[in-house]
Amino acid sequence: NAGVTQTPKFQVLKTGQSMTLQCAQDMNHNSMYWYRQDPGMGLRLIYYSASEGTTDKGEVPNGYNVSRLNKREFSLRLESAAPSQTSVYFCASPGKLESGELFFGEGSRLTVL
Amino acid sequence: GESVGLHLPTLSVQEGDNSIINCAYSNSASDYFIWYKQESGKGPQFIIDIRSNMDKRQGQRVTVLLNKTVKHLSLQIAATQPGDSAVYFCADVGRNTLTFGKGTMLLVSP
Repeated sequence: NAGVTQTPKFQVLKTGQSMTLQCAQDMNHNSMYWYRQDPGMGLRLIYYSASEGTTDKGEVPNGYNVSRLNKREFSLRLESAAPSQTSVYFCASPGKLESGELFFGEGSRLTVL
Repeated sequence: GESVGLHLPTLSVQEGDNSIINCAYSNSASDYFIWYKQESGKGPQFIIDIRSNMDKRQGQRVTVLLNKTVKHLSLQIAATQPGDSAVYFCADVGRNTLTFGKGTMLLVSP
């Protein structure tokens, strides 16, 4: 998917466990995003990073932390997973200049028991 | 609050028919929209975009119409094929990111 790579693709956690979703883009873009997708809810923005060293909250940031490690990598961390965080998580990065097009990773399916 | 929504959650069509997927938005300041296609198990993929200075834009087998008066846009797919089966999202492009609608599932039967 146009140079956006996410890991892991699947993960099962118990309530209270922590984990980090990794995302890397090889398009040399400044911006990166984390979305979650739930049935009937579309995609909702969790956090975004407009450039290396900056991060901002999106629509649903509670329960998550992010790190923009460098220009390529943007990680999403769940410190204490809850069943409400069961979802499919997508990392994205912009496509063409002057376009709002986002390129998405393949997604990470997380289940919290 | 601001929202981007879809009228129909599921649309079933026969192969070869034309499909129309609708989307309403509430932010009158919105000036740029994108349609995405999401196949099962994959991330969304860009289909076509339109800016508010246009009311129609055509791509390969797809046309997007924008009616700013009623804050409505639609995606038309001509000669729908089984490979078009997917969930389609409209998205409002804001200053920092996109706001997505809830999606419409298009089912194409042979």
